[in-house]
Formats: sequence, structure tokens, C-alpha cells
Amino acid sequence: AQKVTQAQTEISVVEKEDVTLDCVYETRDTTYYLFWYKQPPSGELVFLIRRNSFDEQNEISGRYSWNFQKSTSSFNFTITASQVVDSAVYFCALSEAGYGGATNKLIFGTGTLLAVQP
Amino acid sequence: DAGVIQSPRHEVTEMGQEVTLRCKPISGHNSLFWYRQTMMRGLELLIYFNNNVPIDDSGMPEDRFSAKMPNASFSTLKIQPSEPRDSAVYFCASSSDSYEQYFGPGTRLTVT
Repeated sequence: AQKVTQAQTEISVVEKEDVTLDCVYETRDTTYYLFWYKQPPSGELVFLIRRNSFDEQNEISGRYSWNFQKSTSSFNFTITASQVVDSAVYFCALSEAGYGGATNKLIFGTGTLLAVQP
Repeated sequence: DAGVIQSPRHEVTEMGQEVTLRCKPISGHNSLFWYRQTMMRGLELLIYFNNNVPIDDSGMPEDRFSAKMPNASFSTLKIQPSEPRDSAVYFCASSSDSYEQYFGPGTRLTVT
């Protein structure tokens, strides 16, 4: 069965600190996709990144970086030099390859609330 | 390009009334998803369509919920009759073959 676990319910940091959000997933498929979404206080869900199961290369985008390790079934997200605007709920999600190559549903973790204090 | 459009943004209704939520996906996207977000259950998929055809409706809570996608640019989620436990934020998302799903702003439904 598919499952995404975000063990950290809430994290509070002071501005400019680095913070890592953990994500552990379970799937029996060999082809799958992992995602991170951001939900700011305004409520919308903002796509941040997608990784394919066959590409374990880590990725950096500005202050954001992602560490994908198949050996530990983890896809962790690090924010460097956090800012108040980073305050949001962050969701990790898993999707298996869909029917006929179509996009399949997302299985979401329970989210981590990040509060960045000034 | 416009993102996913949902209407209404907020809906307050009385128990027993019919509620219709609407979604316009991003032009060119061939998959459409309806999710529900509650404090108790988090984000969960209700139903999704590929090329206007329902593929997986296993998340639809019960017969009171129905969804349609009559064409590539429009979908509805209907609740009849509504109940207080249906109160939630309902998100519509769309995707092309790239697998990323782009979400609309959501409809906050309150059933009193």
C-alpha cells in the first residue's frame, strides 16, 4: 500500500536558520513520483518539485534543496536561511505511474507546519 | 496562462441542500482531480478523470457525492443532500502528462 509519513507536525525556527522537513514514503511500485507542495496561510496549494523514482540526483533551487534516497525511502526538503515568508504547511506526496501512462492520484502526508519567527 | 479556476470560493448552505462546486482546468491538461481537505482526514482524493473519463472514484464518500466532466474545460462536484460533516475545503487540480498537479484556490464549504 502507498503511504507518506511526515513525522514532524510543527517546526518553529528563527529567521536565517536552516530547517529540514522529513518525508518517508512506502510503495511497492518501481516507478513512482514524489512531490512537495507548499500551503501558505492563504490556503492555496503551490507545487514546488517533482522527482522520479529513477532519478536520485539531489536538486537545489535557490534556498530550497531536496535529498532523495531510495535506500531509506526518504525525500527530505531543506530550506537554507529561512525567511518569514517561508511560514506555511508543507506537504510531501507520492504518485504511482497511472493507467495508460496518465497522471495518477497523489497520496499526501499529513503536512508539517513551519513557523519562521522574525 | 490562467491557472485552475474554481467557483464559488466560499459556500455556506443548510443541511439537506444541494451544493454544486465547479472547476475549470488549465487549458491543454488532460487529467482532473477533486480533493477534499479536512483537519481530521487531511488531503484526500475524491475522484479523478483522464480525458473526461472517470478513472478512480473510490474516494467518493457515498452516493450523496457525484462528479461529472462533460468536456475538457469543465467539471462539477455535486453533493445532494449536504450534511454538516461535508464541511471542508474542496480542491480541484489538473495535470498534463508531466505528472505535476496544479491546484485551484479551493472552495470552502460550510454546511450548517
